[in-house]
Amino acid sequence: DQQVKQNSPSLSVQEGRISILNCDYTNSMFDYFLWYKKYPAEGPTFLISISSIKDKNEDGRFTVFLNKSAKHLSLHIVPSQPGDSAVYFCAAKRLQGAQKLVFGQGTRLTINP
Amino acid sequence: DSGVTQTPKHLITATGQRVTLRCSPRSGDLSVYWYQQSLDQGLQFLIHYYNGEERAKGNILERFSAQQFPDLHSELNLSSLELGDSALYFCASSLRGGDNEQFFGPGTRLTVL
Repeated sequence: DQQVKQNSPSLSVQEGRISILNCDYTNSMFDYFLWYKKYPAEGPTFLISISSIKDKNEDGRFTVFLNKSAKHLSLHIVPSQPGDSAVYFCAAKRLQGAQKLVFGQGTRLTINP
Repeated sequence: DSGVTQTPKHLITATGQRVTLRCSPRSGDLSVYWYQQSLDQGLQFLIHYYNGEERAKGNILERFSAQQFPDLHSELNLSSLELGDSALYFCASSLRGGDNEQFFGPGTRLTVL
């Protein structure tokens, strides 16, 4: 049962344009969401998070949007830079109870010069 | 550099063997989490320790066990290894749990031949 889904295995975007990565979840008990970025041969690096009491969180070039009714979140990167090329994982958790992160399958983002 | 260290970086062993993976959390972090990433899979939660005590278990096989020591480092023991146990094993740490982000180590790549 895949509770967190990233339906796009890959995404290619031109440098300077906006990258939009999408994530859907099925478990309505999730109340905290995170995005991680992963380069080859490295561990995931935390990017940005959002609580379910918010619908938007912004940090520099990165903005996460949460639509609770649709159980959907997205990560916007603008402007996209070559160094943003990586695999992006969406993750969800419950603030109470087991503190495990439930990850999506990841989306490989390629920024083209 | 997340501040989480994992050793060894690579491990090659044979079926039926036993291995120990080691993790040192970030300074001050009390929680340690273990995740497994198999080929083309997202990260799967294995187990969570907080200040030496087991807090939550995920899809961890009975052949696998873990512990967190008084100095807060953790070890993941994998025994009776099978080919399917070949994967990347990540350790993450956080200050507590709740809304604290988890910071990941570089991972240990286990290859079972």
